[in-house]
Amino acid sequence: KAGVTQTPRYLIKTRGQQVTLSCSPISGHRSVSWYQQTPGQGLQFLFEYFSETQRNKGNFPGRFSGRQFSNSRSEMNVSTLELGDSALYLCASSLGTLHSGNTIYFGEGSWLTVV
Amino acid sequence: QQQVKQSPQSLIVQKGGISIINCAYENTAFDYFPWYQQFPGKGPALLIAIRPDVSEKKEGRFTISFNKSAKQFSLHIMDSQPGDSATYFCAAGTSGTYKYIFGTGTRLKVLA
Repeated sequence: KAGVTQTPRYLIKTRGQQVTLSCSPISGHRSVSWYQQTPGQGLQFLFEYFSETQRNKGNFPGRFSGRQFSNSRSEMNVSTLELGDSALYLCASSLGTLHSGNTIYFGEGSWLTVV
Repeated sequence: QQQVKQSPQSLIVQKGGISIINCAYENTAFDYFPWYQQFPGKGPALLIAIRPDVSEKKEGRFTISFNKSAKQFSLHIMDSQPGDSATYFCAAGTSGTYKYIFGTGTRLKVLA
């Protein structure tokens, strides 16, 4: 069974630009969540989607947005990039059903560098 | 109240020794406590997880000890191996959501 797939793996953007990151969850998983990982702040929750609906959102500015498609694939977008947005962006998937437990499985992440 | 405090920040252990990493939380609504292992350049991988209804869970060389009254939990790695050298994160979550609060991580180095 394929794991969580994130694309692109590495990208460099310029301040002020926008970026879109993509995530394909494990087959059969209906929930996708996104995390930002930086050396200073650690792993921080961005948002969580289930059946195309955002269920939770972390404390990030409105420049960070996401969506989920009917096939459970998800994208996140960061607009007007700032240097501080340089980070590893991790997508995680889970079954998402009420009784499936809380286990989430991470992808290998997308490394974003803003210059 | 949403924080999860993890210690130590870094840890060096001899091969065959026991590695112990501690975490503490404040929010009593948390009811799921996973540990993740992360190697450089990779995403975090679930190692082991526990719920508050048990005080200990063991999987191979990895054991979680959970103290509900103290709101603390810890990861013990028995017979530590050089291949265990990685960064370990504790986390806390609440049923019905996949919003985890992560600890700041412990960089473990096991000397051969």
